[in-house]
Amino acid sequence: DAKTTQPPSMDCAEGRAANLPCNHSTISGNEYVYWYRQIHSQGPQYIIHGLKNNETNEMASLIITEDRKSSTLILPHATLRDTAVYYCIVRVAYRRNNNDMRFGAGTRLTVKP
Amino acid sequence: DTEVTQTPKHLVMGMTNKKSLKCEQHMGHRAMYWYKQKAKKPPELMFVYSYEKLSINESVPSRFSPECPNSSLLNLHLHALQPEDSALYLCASSQVGGGNQPQHFGDGTRLSIL
Repeated sequence: DAKTTQPPSMDCAEGRAANLPCNHSTISGNEYVYWYRQIHSQGPQYIIHGLKNNETNEMASLIITEDRKSSTLILPHATLRDTAVYYCIVRVAYRRNNNDMRFGAGTRLTVKP
Repeated sequence: DTEVTQTPKHLVMGMTNKKSLKCEQHMGHRAMYWYKQKAKKPPELMFVYSYEKLSINESVPSRFSPECPNSSLLNLHLHALQPEDSALYLCASSQVGGGNQPQHFGDGTRLSIL
């Protein structure tokens, strides 16, 4: 699976949009981009994933560049409860009987009042 | 609230003890996972089960013994652990079949080895 690069930390003001970047320059055409977050003392929480097109759900939006070498997770109106470590992960689309997922170091997002 | 339930939430054990961690899900998922997470580090994959069969063992020491007795249950048996095994142990589940299936995580068991 392709490697990802994220900034180690970011700050965001409460109520503003949080834009978290991820670089995955070696991504293959059959690899998905996933985002998870982990709030202190909890398990990782699935946020969103996509292959080529931009995706939106009730939590966030995922913008993938046309060449698919990078992506941005957007939290449209960050709240203090969005303070967490955010992981960008690349996973191959299909691997029979093998659904492993590997975490990188992630970005620690701090939302400030 | 999480749909993957892990018990116990906390466990303290001596190096000579035998204990087990339990993970349960009722989402019909046929892939289940164990991860280990040290403080301030990302989760590290330990084991993957697909259709109740072990498909990945990330060279985990034999003092950790996984078991998947049925499609809803995953256990991790612990024996003769070392202090460096103190960590958060996370369980996850997903549909089998590929990268389009998100994993769902429990909140983990925090293990301390005395």
